[in-house]
Amino acid sequence: GNSVTQMEGPVTLSEEAFLTINCTYTATGYPSLFWYVQYPGEGLQLLLKATKADDKGSNKGFEATYRKETTSFHLEKGSVQVSDSAVYFCALSDPMNYGGSQGNLIFGKGTKLSVKP
Amino acid sequence: EADIYQTPRYLVIGTGKKITLECSQTMGHDKMYWYQQDPGMELHLIHYSYGVNSTEKGDLSSESTVSRIRTEHFPLTLESARPSHTSQYLCASSEVGGSGNTIYFGEGSWLTVV
Repeated sequence: GNSVTQMEGPVTLSEEAFLTINCTYTATGYPSLFWYVQYPGEGLQLLLKATKADDKGSNKGFEATYRKETTSFHLEKGSVQVSDSAVYFCALSDPMNYGGSQGNLIFGKGTKLSVKP
Repeated sequence: EADIYQTPRYLVIGTGKKITLECSQTMGHDKMYWYQQDPGMELHLIHYSYGVNSTEKGDLSSESTVSRIRTEHFPLTLESARPSHTSQYLCASSEVGGSGNTIYFGEGSWLTVV
């Protein structure tokens, strides 16, 4: 079945460090891929997405490239800030082309990032 | 910014009580979802709907029930709460069709059953 595997946390970095959070997926068909972020006490917000192979999603200095050959969608940021401390979720959308399940998100387990000043 | 609202945000109730978590969205989305987030952060889809009078069970079995009488409203009900229902419940919505549609989340309802 479809699944997402992302690196376990917590990840602790110093401010201005480089960030990589690994994400790989298993899916039939051609899913869309997403990164969501959850700040403490809040719901999830879309950070970026990519809908086809080789697409790069980017937002707020974060970026991730849809790599079909390695089934990966790693999240990167060149210089993290304290305000980036949050939980990051990689997700894929159900690529099945029938019924109401199309578009349902399957999430990885989340990676907690703490950035120290 | 997404316009999806959940109430209550925080609730502590006793075992055996009935509880309804409210969710409303003003974006006109046909598709709505409920996710359960356990203390270890994992998110599991428990219910979804792709329009009025449609409800489907998600990937994780849940004792909760949902209804969809109006497009903008998707309440979740627990008839008899138990401590195992303690969790955060996230409501979400999106347009129908295509796997690339963004799903917008509410801020969540934290439920504690004592």
